[in-house]
Amino acid sequence: AQKVTQAQTEISVVEKEDVTLDCVYETRDTTYYLFWYKQPPSGELVFLIRRNSFDEQNEISGRYSWNFQKSTSSFNFTITASQVVDSAVYFCALSGMNRDDKIIFGKGTRLHILP
Amino acid sequence: KAGVTQTPRYLIKTRGQQVTLSCSPISGHRSVSWYQQTPGQGLQFLFEYFSETQRNKGNFPGRFSGRQFSNSRSEMNVSTLELGDSALYLCASRLGSPDTQYFGPGTRLTVL
Repeated sequence: AQKVTQAQTEISVVEKEDVTLDCVYETRDTTYYLFWYKQPPSGELVFLIRRNSFDEQNEISGRYSWNFQKSTSSFNFTITASQVVDSAVYFCALSGMNRDDKIIFGKGTRLHILP
Repeated sequence: KAGVTQTPRYLIKTRGQQVTLSCSPISGHRSVSWYQQTPGQGLQFLFEYFSETQRNKGNFPGRFSGRQFSNSRSEMNVSTLELGDSALYLCASRLGSPDTQYFGPGTRLTVL
């Protein structure tokens, strides 16, 4: 069975600090996708990134970076120089690559950036 | 390109009533999924429709049903509402499978 674990329920950091959100997944599939979504207070889930299991290269997008490690089944998300606007709930998700595969979400990490 | 739209954004109903929520996917997207989000249970998958056919279903009672029209718009219906149905209902669309899902703003349902 597939499972996504985000052990950090809630994190608070002071603005400009770096923060890492952890995501550990379980799957028997050899090929799969991993995702991160952001849910600001408005409620809409905003897509941040999709990674496929073939590609373990880390990705950087501005202040955001993602570290994918197949050996530890982890797909961690780091925000550098955090800002108040980064305050949100962040979800990690996993999906197989077959047509009927569902996307499995973790329970989310609520991130508070304190001014 | 317009994003996923959901109507209404807010709803207040009483126990025993039924409700219908609507979702319009991104143009060209043929798959629509529905999720229920509550503080205690997180994001829970309800069902997915692709080309008017239900492709996947989560573990929800039969009171929760859905359908998809030929233009890919989808509706979700909840009958005999219970207090525990109060939640944010999110709709997501994608081109096909497996593709990235893009979410709408949600419908916040309150059952009194």
